[in-house]
Amino acid sequence: DQQVKQNSPSLSVQEGRISILNCDYTNSMFDYFLWYKKYPAEGPTFLISISSIKDKNEDGRFTVFLNKSAKHLSLHIVPSQPGDSAVYFCAASGGSGDKLTFGTGTRLAVRP
Amino acid sequence: GAVVSQHPSRVICKSGTSVKIECRSLDFQATTMFWYRQFPKQSLMLMATSNEGSKATYEQGVEKDKFLINHASLTLSTLTVTSAHPEDSSFYICSARGSAVLNTEAFFGQGTRLTVV
Repeated sequence: DQQVKQNSPSLSVQEGRISILNCDYTNSMFDYFLWYKKYPAEGPTFLISISSIKDKNEDGRFTVFLNKSAKHLSLHIVPSQPGDSAVYFCAASGGSGDKLTFGTGTRLAVRP
Repeated sequence: GAVVSQHPSRVICKSGTSVKIECRSLDFQATTMFWYRQFPKQSLMLMATSNEGSKATYEQGVEKDKFLINHASLTLSTLTVTSAHPEDSSFYICSARGSAVLNTEAFFGQGTRLTVV
C-alpha cells in the first residue's frame, strides 16, 4: 500500500523554466511533509518542508504548496538550473509516529 | 544542516558472512535513527526505527534476526546484516533526528552500497 505517491517517474525541463513536481498521499493522519533531493549513490538531502497548518512555504527558488483537501503537494523550482537534475522524493510523517514515508521519486532533468 | 556520517560507503562481502554498517551523528544527539533500504529505481523503504537505549522497532516483513540494529549511544547506530546473501545486496541509508519533538527534519547519511557475492 503506497501511501505517498509520485506518479511521474521523470520530468524534463528547460533551464530557466519552472519545474513542478507533484506528490499525492492517502493517509489523512499525515501532518508534515518534506521534499528531499537525491543523487545516485548518495543519501537524500533535505530541501524544504511544510506543516499541515500552512498551504505554502517558500525558500529561495523552492516553493512547496499543500492542498489538504486534495491530499496533494507540489514542489516548484524556479528558475530551474542544470544542477537541480536529481531524483526528488516527497515524504510525509504524522499520526502514531514520526517516521517518514517516502514517495517513489521523480527524476528531474534540467536541459541547458 | 546537521551532519550524519555513514560508513562504509561501499562494501563487498562473501555470501554467508556478516557486515556492519555504522551511522554517526557528528554534531547533534540523535534520539531516533532510521534505517532504510533502496532498491534500484525504487523508493526508500523504512526497515526499522531505533531509539537510543531501547530495542529497534522493525517494519513488517523485515527480519529482525537478520538485520541487527544497535543504538547504544546518542551519536551511533549500527546495522549488521547477518549471514548475508546476494538478495541482500542493496543501498542502505540511515537517517537521524535530533529531538523527540515530532516533525523535526531527518538528516541522512551518505548511504552504503552492499554487494554480496
